[in-house]
Amino acid sequence: DGGITQSPKYLFRKEGQNVTLSCEQNLNHDAMYWYRQDPGQGLRLIYYSQIVNDFQKGDIAEGYSVSREKKESFPLTVTSAQKNPTAFYLCASNTDRRNTGELFFGEGSRLTVL
Amino acid sequence: EDQVTQSPEALRLQEGESSSLNCSYTVSGLRGLFWYRQDPGKGPEFLFTLYSAGEEKEKERLKATLTKKESFLHITAPKPEDSATYLCAVQASNGQNFVFGPGTRLSVLP
Repeated sequence: DGGITQSPKYLFRKEGQNVTLSCEQNLNHDAMYWYRQDPGQGLRLIYYSQIVNDFQKGDIAEGYSVSREKKESFPLTVTSAQKNPTAFYLCASNTDRRNTGELFFGEGSRLTVL
Repeated sequence: EDQVTQSPEALRLQEGESSSLNCSYTVSGLRGLFWYRQDPGKGPEFLFTLYSAGEEKEKERLKATLTKKESFLHITAPKPEDSATYLCAVQASNGQNFVFGPGTRLSVLP
């Protein structure tokens, strides 16, 4: 079945470590996104990519990095520069570069900093 | 600045007790308003897209409506399996990104 796969589902990190969250989609979507979700807040955009080898910062990009080497893959690295990384991270995609239409989401990755 | 607010923050209903969730928005030209359902620990699941004031869409016990300033998600005769957080998001006509509200957490008691 087509969809978005995020891994790992749960991740624990010590302070000062970088971690990478995986996001793979087989929907043949051009655009991919990373969101952060904290309790009581709306989803906040970290980075998005409309095409391979190109990506743009969202509202809260500081302390994060991404790459888009393949259409299917959009990994997110949470660096040690991110001050408060404990959160639920959601990857999403949609169907065209104009970003019209609904987002399709993965199941999320929960990162906890120890 | 584009903004989305949702009310109430949490809603507890008895099974069969109909109610409505509100999504109020300010946006510089609306491209679309989206409703999602999110179960605990899961990613949001798409429900509806509304594009213009007066538009309505239905799916099972859910009906979404849209005005120029707000959208309502009406839940008719809810069942316990309707318990979830319902998210509203808007996309501006001159923008590429989506602005999400904080959600309404719905609990339906048997």
